[in-house]
Amino acid sequence: SSELTQDPAVSVALGQTVRIACQGDSLRSYFASWYQQKPGQPPVLVIYGKNNRPSGIPDRFSGSSSGNTASLTITGAQAEDEADYYCNSRDSSGNHPVEFGGGTKLTVL
Amino acid sequence: QLQLQESGPGLVKPSETLSLTCTVSGGSINNSNYYWDWIRQPPGRGLEWIGGVYYRGSTYYKPSLKSRVTISVDTSKNQFSLKLNSVTAADTAVYYCARRYVIWSGAHFDYWGQGTPVTVSS
Repeated sequence: SSELTQDPAVSVALGQTVRIACQGDSLRSYFASWYQQKPGQPPVLVIYGKNNRPSGIPDRFSGSSSGNTASLTITGAQAEDEADYYCNSRDSSGNHPVEFGGGTKLTVL
Repeated sequence: QLQLQESGPGLVKPSETLSLTCTVSGGSINNSNYYWDWIRQPPGRGLEWIGGVYYRGSTYYKPSLKSRVTISVDTSKNQFSLKLNSVTAADTAVYYCARRYVIWSGAHFDYWGQGTPVTVSS
């Protein structure tokens, strides 16, 4: 089981703002990174570090962190944002260097 | 533009060894900033990190898979490889190779292969 916890599913009305959360002890020490995955495609990095977007990622995607919780915010969600979103962090427990959250299915209504 | 491409058999028999190779193009594996990892995704499920290798050969594995996994790197071919032995149906998944950037404040996977589906079945 994952040591990063995400809600299995979240929905948002078209054009509204949605926050996807990721909780875990490692997030007290490390920033999360976030990935968008659409059916049949590999994950795509959308946020990393404190709040960095790779080239080509729209600025409606942003990241934040507080305590043991990291959040991905989509401001003005679009239909094409409907996807699975995964958080990822370095593992602070010493068991292994990497862990993923279980994923959140985002539905845009 | 960096590209990663997985290759290997799409069907493996139970108890046998799954072997995959990731070929990196558009950049060198010989880069001290990055690790080279394998991640899998069973049908309808989430991402599972399997393990990774540094260009100098040091390896890191998920503890629950460590006894069955070997990841290696061939810098002369710009490739890294995954071997998973004693496979069962539970190892059926899409297998991705990816590049991981690690710094003091975190880590992220910035490039991924397209993924290769592997089915374990007799």
